[in-house]
Amino acid sequence: DVKVTQSSRYLVKRTGEKVFLECVQDMDHENMFWYRQDPGLGLRLIYFSYDVKMKEKGDIPEGYSVSREKKERFSLILESASTNQTSMYLCASRDSGSYSHQPQHFGDGTRLSIL
Amino acid sequence: QKEVEQDPGPLSVPEGAIVSLNCTYSNSAFQYFMWYRQYSRKGPELLMYTYSSGNKEDGRFTAQVDKSSKYISLFIRDSQPSDSATYLCAAQGAQKLVFGQGTRLTINP
Repeated sequence: DVKVTQSSRYLVKRTGEKVFLECVQDMDHENMFWYRQDPGLGLRLIYFSYDVKMKEKGDIPEGYSVSREKKERFSLILESASTNQTSMYLCASRDSGSYSHQPQHFGDGTRLSIL
Repeated sequence: QKEVEQDPGPLSVPEGAIVSLNCTYSNSAFQYFMWYRQYSRKGPELLMYTYSSGNKEDGRFTAQVDKSSKYISLFIRDSQPSDSATYLCAAQGAQKLVFGQGTRLTINP
């Protein structure tokens, strides 16, 4: 079974802080994704990565950046946290190349609160 | 208009009932469709994965795709309280997965 592990289940930070969310997958997947999930808005794609050191903007990249230095690890960075970034953050991974139709597998999420 | 539309519910049915969950999509280029189940405070888990039109069955679950009407469905037979969750439909685009909003389902014992 694919295992996607997010380092924190719950996190509380203050406005203006730089926040790091970590995600690790154990299946040697090339593709990794960061989403946020909000009531009434569903899942929205923030950033994704096809491979190490590669990154692509999703639908809502503003205020976020990402890092993929190793294949198994994909980090989401909130450069200067704001209250409107309070949300559930979900990481996912998927096998194969850029236009793969393979399904994504998700971690259990990090519920982030910005005070 | 959202590319994938899903009624958010909530939907509440008695144990043992047949449940029908539905989504519509607007992009005719979509060919791969998925259903995810998400329990409270957990991430989405892949439930069903289908390609193009037709039915796919897995135990009590059946996924159905009708590309002519751009309609995807998930049927749950003999529903159980453990099926209570949010169900998300998704369609695979060229680069990204497009999700519906999710339907919150409760099965009452």
